[in-house]
Amino acid sequence: AQSVTQLGSHVSVSEGALVLLRCNYSSSVPPYLFWYVQYPNQGLQLLLKYTTGATLVKGINGFEAEFKKSETSFHLTKPSAHMSDAAEYFCAVSEVYTGGFKTIFGAGTRLFVKA
Amino acid sequence: GAGVSQTPSNKVTEKGKYVELRCDPISGHTALYWYRQSLGQGPEFLIYFQGTGAADDSGLPNDRFFAVRPEGSVSTLKIQRTERGDSAVYLCASSLNGYETQYFGPGTRLLVL
Repeated sequence: AQSVTQLGSHVSVSEGALVLLRCNYSSSVPPYLFWYVQYPNQGLQLLLKYTTGATLVKGINGFEAEFKKSETSFHLTKPSAHMSDAAEYFCAVSEVYTGGFKTIFGAGTRLFVKA
Repeated sequence: GAGVSQTPSNKVTEKGKYVELRCDPISGHTALYWYRQSLGQGPEFLIYFQGTGAADDSGLPNDRFFAVRPEGSVSTLKIQRTERGDSAVYLCASSLNGYETQYFGPGTRLLVL
């Protein structure tokens, strides 16, 4: 069965500092991996996704993530945090089966950005 | 174009009542998903439709929960005999064919008193 673990329910960084949000997954088949962002009172928005091919995936707003199969990880990074990055971030894993896929989300990491 | 919409945005009901939550997916999207998000948690999968049929309903917590999508577009999540533990944000998402990116609606916040 699939599962997702996000290490750290809260992460605080200073503006301009590196952002690192950790995600580990388990999956019985090659997974599809996602990062979503949720701003207050808004729906989930896709940041980036990994399906196949290049393991370093670039997304919107300067974020990127690297799929490391040996570590079963898909950590999210951004070189320099902006105040506008403050939000909740969710890692998700999907397993493909006939007709579509089922997605399991992590519990989320709330990112705080200090001025 | 229009995104996924959900109505109502907020719903307050009393324990034991019946509620219906509606989802309008992006036009042309054949796949539709329902999730439940409790406070401080990630979205929890409930059910996945491919067209009019429920391809996977393994996430529905019990038989009080039911969802339909009779014409392969709009979907309704129905909750009977609501309990206080049903209070959560119910999210709907759609994707082009089930393998593509899911686009989420803003959610319906359900409060059961």
